[in-house]
Amino acid sequence: AQSVTQPDIHITVSEGASLELRCNYSYGATPYLFWYVQSPGQGLQLLLKYFSGDTLVQGIKGFEAEFKRSQSSFNLRKPSVHWSDAAEYFCAVGAGGSYIPTFGRGTSLIVHP
Amino acid sequence: GAVVSQHPSRVICKSGTSVKIECRSLDFQATTMFWYRQFPKQSLMLMATSNEGSKATYEQGVEKDKFLINHASLTLSTLTVTSAHPEDSSFYICSATRGSGGEQFFGPGTRLTVL
Repeated sequence: AQSVTQPDIHITVSEGASLELRCNYSYGATPYLFWYVQSPGQGLQLLLKYFSGDTLVQGIKGFEAEFKRSQSSFNLRKPSVHWSDAAEYFCAVGAGGSYIPTFGRGTSLIVHP
Repeated sequence: GAVVSQHPSRVICKSGTSVKIECRSLDFQATTMFWYRQFPKQSLMLMATSNEGSKATYEQGVEKDKFLINHASLTLSTLTVTSAHPEDSSFYICSATRGSGGEQFFGPGTRLTVL
C-alpha cells in the first residue's frame, strides 16, 4: 500500500521569503502525486498534480513541485510567499493511476508579516 | 465551476442521537462522491465511496451501520452518523468527481461535536 510522509508539522516563513514543503512517498510503481491546500472553513483545493512527463510541475497561485523518483519526493515550492498562503498543505499519492489519493498528515504554513 | 457544499458546517449533538450531513455538487453532476474523516493535525482518512443509485463502498474498519451513506441523486450524498458518541467527534469532508475517475472537488467540511 502507498503512504505519504510530510516530515514538517509546522513551517514558519516571513512574507516574501521562499518556501519549500517536503513530501516523501512510498509506492512501488510510478505514482500519481498531488498537493492540496486547505484554508480554515474551506475545502481542499488542488494546487498541482503529477502523473507523468516533465518532473517539474507548475500549479496555481505560483506554486510548483518537483518529482524526484530517486528520492521518492515531491516537494512543493514557492519563490515568494504571501500572507494569504497561510494554510494547511497536504501531499497525497494515488496508486495505480488512482485519483483517490492517500493523504499525508499535512504541514501548517505560518506566514509572518 | 465545480463547487461542492456541505451542510451543516458545524453541529453539536448529544450522545446517542443521529446526525445527518449533506454534501451537494452545486454546478455539476457528481457520479461519485467520497466521504473523509479528518482528526486534528492528522491526514484525511477515506471512509467510503458512493456512486449514485448504488450502495456505498466502505473502507476497511469503517462501520457501515454506524455511518450510513445515501447517494440518492447526482448532486446529493448524505452521511448519517447513527447513535453518535463522543469518539465520533471529528471533521467530516466530502468530495465529488464529475466523471469516472478524475479530479476530486472538496466540500468545506462539517465539524461534528458529540457531547
